Formats: sequence, structure tokens, C-alpha cells
Amino acid sequence: QKEVEQNSGPLSVPEGAIASLNCTYSDRGSQSFFWYRQYSGKSPELIMSIYSNGDKEDGRFTAQLNKASQYVSLLIRDSQPSDSATYLCAGGGYNAGGTSYGKLTFGQGTILTVHP
Amino acid sequence: AAGVIQSPRHLIKEKRETATLKCYPIPRHDTVYWYQQGPGQDPQFLISFYEKMQSDKGSIPDRFSAQQFSDYHSELNMSSLELGDSALYFCASSLGGLDEKLFFGSGTQLSVL
Repeated sequence: QKEVEQNSGPLSVPEGAIASLNCTYSDRGSQSFFWYRQYSGKSPELIMSIYSNGDKEDGRFTAQLNKASQYVSLLIRDSQPSDSATYLCAGGGYNAGGTSYGKLTFGQGTILTVHP
Repeated sequence: AAGVIQSPRHLIKEKRETATLKCYPIPRHDTVYWYQQGPGQDPQFLISFYEKMQSDKGSIPDRFSAQQFSDYHSELNMSSLELGDSALYFCASSLGGLDEKLFFGSGTQLSVL
């Protein structure tokens, strides 16, 4: 089992709809979570980071974290064709000294297609 | 804004050859990470450096080595290349400390023939 699992895709939504991407993680030591967007052949681009339980909103994006359920999600409101990409969920943590662990573990990605 | 710079963008090598990939982090970022991404795969962590010291090690083959220099740029050295080493290699940098937001470079596409 991968440490970070994403719901199987691909996911297809119509333009203007809400896209919901889900992710679960197995390492309870993970303290921080990230959503990256990756276009084909391009580098991952950070969209959202979330560290505390609850919701975090940034524009059309809302990340949700539930540490008890070990669950992270990303909602994209008013989806646009330009949102079509692979979305990677990643988990990180801190080492015992409190400095950044930095080693992010990525999920396998969910391919999102937003059709006009 | 300055981003993470990687060179070269593309590299073609033959089996058993060596390759060196370079990474220049965002200014003031003191932490560098290397990831390997095969076709259709998620990025796999290889190795990281914080303040020029190795901070963590992932699934990096013994044939690979890396270091971070005094100007914080990093190089990934790959020897005895195998066909399976063909992949997109990303470098990422962060401010380190408690900030784990990673910013990725454009990657080096390595093809081993």
C-alpha cells in the first residue's frame, strides 16, 4: 500500500462544475499536506498547502484536512478547461529535531479533465 | 520571480555512460531536493540537502551521488546508466526550516539508449 493514495481517476467534469479530488495517507506522523498541479511533461506546481484540521480556501480552491480520518481533499469550484491536469497529493512531516523533513511523499495523481 | 533552474533540459546518454544534472535553487532557499519521475508515475524522492549537508535519502541507487555546493546549487551525478534510469528528474527547493513548500524546476528529461 502506498503511503499516500489518491482516488482513482481519471475524473471528468463539465466546465463550471465542482471537481472533488481525494487523498488518504497512512503515516500518522505526516504533519503537512500539499496539492500540486502537473501538466503533461511539466513540473509540479504548488496549489495549496494545509497543516491543520479543517478547510483552507484560496480563490477557487479549497483544501480540507481531517487528521483523525487521515484524509485530505481538494475542491475546485467553477472548473475551467485550463484546470485540466494531473493533481498530485503529497504528505510531509517533521523530523525529531523540529526542522523541516522536506521529503514529500506523493500520491499517484488524479487526472482531471474539464470539458467545455 | 526567480524560479528553480535546472540544466540541461534534455539529455541523451548510452548505457554505462555517466550524466551530471545541475540545479540552481530559488535565491535564499537553502534546501534542495531531487525527485525522479518515470512516465505515468508520481515523483519519487531521491535525496535532499539542507545547508550543504545531506538531510534525507530516499530511493537513490548507489550509482547516483549528489552534493550541494557553497552557493547552494546542487548536482546529481549518475554513473553506469541503465535503461531504467530514463525519466524526468526534478529538482525542487524550499526555504527549509519549518517551511516545506517545495518549488520545482522544469526538470531534466534523461533518455538512456
